[in-house]
Parts: sequence; C-alpha cells; structure tokens
Amino acid sequence: QVQLVQSGAEVKEPGASVKVSCKASGYTFTDYFIHWVRQAPGQRLEWIGRITPYNGGTNYAQKFQGRVTMTRDTSISTAYMELSRLISDDTAVYYCATAYTSAWSFDFWGQGTLVTVSS
Amino acid sequence: QSALTQPASVSGSPGQSITISCTGTSGDVGYYNYVSWYQQHPGKAPKLMIYDVSNRPSGVSDRFSGSKSGSTASLTISGLQAEDEADYYCTSYTSTTTYVLFGGGTKLTVL
Repeated sequence: QVQLVQSGAEVKEPGASVKVSCKASGYTFTDYFIHWVRQAPGQRLEWIGRITPYNGGTNYAQKFQGRVTMTRDTSISTAYMELSRLISDDTAVYYCATAYTSAWSFDFWGQGTLVTVSS
Repeated sequence: QSALTQPASVSGSPGQSITISCTGTSGDVGYYNYVSWYQQHPGKAPKLMIYDVSNRPSGVSDRFSGSKSGSTASLTISGLQAEDEADYYCTSYTSTTTYVLFGGGTKLTVL
C-alpha cells in the first residue's frame, strides 16, 4: 500500500533553515509528483510546491520562491523540502502528498511534520 | 484571488444531506476541472474525497459527490453519519503562480 513517512518534529530559531524528508513506499517513486502543503495552527491549508521525482523538476508557489528548495533521492525513494530564513509565521505542520490519480489532487499524505519557529 | 471561499460551518442530522460550496473565479474553479475536496479530522492529515470536480477515489463512499457550476464547486454528502463530522477543504488549480488555492475550510457538525 502507498505510504509516505515524514521526518520528526523540529524546533528552529528565526532565521534558520529546516529540511523535512518524506520517504515513499508502495509504488514507483518516480511515477508521481510529490507535493508539499502546510497548515499553520488553526489556519487553512497552503500549497508550497511540488517536485517531479523522475527528473527533479520543481514548481514553487510564488510566496515561497527564493526560500524553498525541493529535492529528491530516487535511490531511497525520498523527497525533501527545505525552507530557509524561517520566521514565526512558518510555524506549521508540513505535509508531503502524492499526486497519484490526478496532477493537482493529493491522494496519499504523510503524517505531517510539526515545525516550530521560536527564539 | 488568494483563496477560495467556503462557508465556515454547516450542520445536519444523521441521514440528511448537506452541500458545501466553494467559490472561486474564472481563473481557477471556473476554468479548470482540477477541483478537489478533502476531509480532515482533528490532528489528522487530510484525506482526498473528490478529485477533478466529481471523481471519487477508490475506497471513498458513494455518499460523497462533487459538482461544479460556473465558478462554484460543491460537495454533497448524503445519508450523513456521525463519522462525517470533520473539516472539509476544497482546492483548485489556478492560472497564477500560486498554482493551487485552498478554501478556508468548512466545519461539518452532525447533530
């Protein structure tokens, strides 16, 4: 069965960077997009960007351009999302999700990674 | 447009039907058939319920259905059950560099 397992919670100081991993199993990793979505406490979901595991191509939401980098390691079926220059508003649960049935829908989700930005 | 508009809350009794609306613009919901709906229980990851306006993923109950008219998409849940109580979010692809818009979420209460 399709499964996405994310790395554990992080606490970072303002200005630092965080890198979250997402290990996929149960399907061919290079066949489907991996999207990253976040949810701040009590807030709506927010799309950050996506990576094409086959060739490493990326699309980022304009809001995160210049601060986010998405990469992947196909040898271990793992995608990464790194967010730099963190501020308190980046405190959120970060999710990875596959686009399995349609390019712009998110079929299977990781368990989420809480990133807390605090001094 | 920075987000899609959903009602903050809806409610219904077990067995009834409810509909949640999701209003966008001609640049997103009104143009693309990439509207999806997600169910989220507290502390859990979202779950895909409807994709591409009206398609149900395997394993999702046929009590859930989606539709679209103009720039407004809708999620209908028939035969409400207690387990349907959750937050529901709509999303749409958009022609802007935001790529994906989310609605603000609708809290469904089963009375």
